[in-house]
Amino acid sequence: GAGVSQTPSNKVTEKGKYVELRCDPISGHTALYWYRQSLGQGPEFLIYFQGTGAADDSGLPNDRFFAVRPEGSVSTLKIQRTERGDSAVYLCASSLGGPTGNTIYFGEGSWLTVV
Amino acid sequence: KQEVTQIPAALSVPEGENLVLNCSFTDSAIYNLQWFRQDPGKGLTSLLLIQSSQREQTSGRLNASLDKSSGRSTLYIAASQPGDSATYLCAASFSGGYNKLIFGAGTRLAVHP
Repeated sequence: GAGVSQTPSNKVTEKGKYVELRCDPISGHTALYWYRQSLGQGPEFLIYFQGTGAADDSGLPNDRFFAVRPEGSVSTLKIQRTERGDSAVYLCASSLGGPTGNTIYFGEGSWLTVV
Repeated sequence: KQEVTQIPAALSVPEGENLVLNCSFTDSAIYNLQWFRQDPGKGLTSLLLIQSSQREQTSGRLNASLDKSSGRSTLYIAASQPGDSATYLCAASFSGGYNKLIFGAGTRLAVHP
């Protein structure tokens, strides 16, 4: 389809393992965002890309979290040494240009469970 | 600290009622405010986007208003239908961080026939 695509849709991993979550934004969207949503809460901002560069990574909780977007389209969120507290839905979104005047489109999320 | 709060947390209404969802924010230096809908196990769908220079936006049975001075936004849903049942999230972007949305926890709406 033409929407934001995220894989995997579900991931169960053991504590301490490494995880990668992938996001395919809408074609032509230069802005890409990662958010994290815990049960019963609204999404929390993690990182924003404009093109290939991370324009704002202030939401990444610690240095175990890292994200890349090497060619300005697909992005990967990487989590090292996972902890049980990392369990959440990781949402990717994209928009045409920056977010101030543009509609943001969200994917359905990657549900991460750390056991 | 910039925060967004939504009340009520949950709402159950009979079909056909007009209803209002409330959102408040702590910083009047707002860039824009958006309302989203989230169905269980799904991502978010943007409903309405209000720029800081605007006071309201309308789409079909939905109307959202923005009052920067009081730090409030409301989402009005006319003639509610069972298909409107979902969680509605309010999100704002603020000065100093226009690229990030700060979300409320949402209002879980159930419209029963």
